[in-house]
Amino acid sequence: DSGVTQTPKHLITATGQRVTLRCSPRSGDLSVYWYQQSLDQGLQFLIQYYNGEERAKGNILERFSAQQFPDLHSELNLSSLELGDSALYFCASSVGGAPSHEQFFGPGTRLTVL
Amino acid sequence: AQSVAQPEDQVNVAEGNPLTVKCTYSVSGNPYLFWYVQYPNRGLQFLLKYITGDNLVKGSYGFEAEFNKSQTSFHLKKPSALVSDSALYFCAVSESGSARQLTFGSGTQLTVLP
Repeated sequence: DSGVTQTPKHLITATGQRVTLRCSPRSGDLSVYWYQQSLDQGLQFLIQYYNGEERAKGNILERFSAQQFPDLHSELNLSSLELGDSALYFCASSVGGAPSHEQFFGPGTRLTVL
Repeated sequence: AQSVAQPEDQVNVAEGNPLTVKCTYSVSGNPYLFWYVQYPNRGLQFLLKYITGDNLVKGSYGFEAEFNKSQTSFHLKKPSALVSDSALYFCAVSESGSARQLTFGSGTQLTVLP
């Protein structure tokens, strides 16, 4: 167990809908990362927050947004969902925000868009 | 731009034999290199990293990796494979002094045959 928790584990929804994925980092970790894993795209970095502020942005679509709250938990919001958004979404955390820090991954949320 | 390549989608090895999972990378400056492992229906788990210093890095579960700057490689190795090592292995790279986060390879499925 990495200490990173993600809810829900599974999510099934329809095209055009909006969902929110939640992540709680390991105790003491200030940085949260979001990743998307799919068969065709592999593991893609979406966005990073450090102590409440956006630190780095990857291949995140404009329909997606995220935030990190004062208690350091994070939420990833996906809107106007398309079939291609079906994927595993991982949250990871690290003690600092530097690229040299190892990341600890949660178990993921499997999103299915029908 | 930073990139990482895992040239083998699948590696099969007999239990007790040495294993190697290959990784090559491309960055403009000095790399930070990581290996992660993913078991079925689980998040990624950190194995080891190279930041600076000794080219041979030792990590969890008896794994090690050798940083080779001239060949831009960071191959993962283990002297004696276990059936329980069967999993999906990811190499990842970032760059020293860069604000960019990790770029992951496409993954190598390791199967250790009893």
